[in-house]
Amino acid sequence: DAGITQSPRYKITETGRQVTLMCHQTWSHSYMFWYRQDLGHGLRLIYYSAAADITDKGEVPDGYVVSRSKTENFPLTLESATRSQTSVYFCASRGLEGTYEQYFGPGTRLTVT
Amino acid sequence: ILNVEQSPQSLHVQEGDSTNFTCSFPSSNFYALHWYRWETAKSPEALFVMTLNGDEKKKGRISATLNTKEGYSYLYIKGSQPEDSATYLCALENAGNNRKLIWGLGTSLAVNP
Repeated sequence: DAGITQSPRYKITETGRQVTLMCHQTWSHSYMFWYRQDLGHGLRLIYYSAAADITDKGEVPDGYVVSRSKTENFPLTLESATRSQTSVYFCASRGLEGTYEQYFGPGTRLTVT
Repeated sequence: ILNVEQSPQSLHVQEGDSTNFTCSFPSSNFYALHWYRWETAKSPEALFVMTLNGDEKKKGRISATLNTKEGYSYLYIKGSQPEDSATYLCALENAGNNRKLIWGLGTSLAVNP
């Protein structure tokens, strides 16, 4: 099906482990975003990408790494997970021009123990 | 960091009541104002994207207005229904900001049957 998907939907990992959250969209949208959602903070931008091979930091990038070798994929890696990275992670995408809205994936709930 | 403020933080209304929320934002460098609806356990979905001062958009019982000169937008829900219960987010898109959005914390609406 067309759309934006995230995997896994739920993940429990231990402190210090590396974990990668996947995001895939089928619209060939240029822009992709990673957010985390925590109580009292709303949506905070971690990283974003304007096109393949172009990525940039958002508001809270520390402890995260992204890559975008293909337009449709935008994986987010926690290099050494910490408890403070327990959160719900949303990926979003949008088109290149105009006033297009962002389309969100279903989210990944990550728990770091 | 530019702040997008939403009020009230939460709202409880009875089925059939009409209600409205406010989104305030700094108006310099304005490009677009987005409204999203976010139901519990789901991901945000776009309601409106507005760009022009005085713009008014409508989708069913939900409408929104925009004042870019004074930096505010109103979201109205006419005849609230229990299925309208959600968090309503607004987000500011500034010109030349690589399509990044600055998110408010949302207004949580609960409609009692």
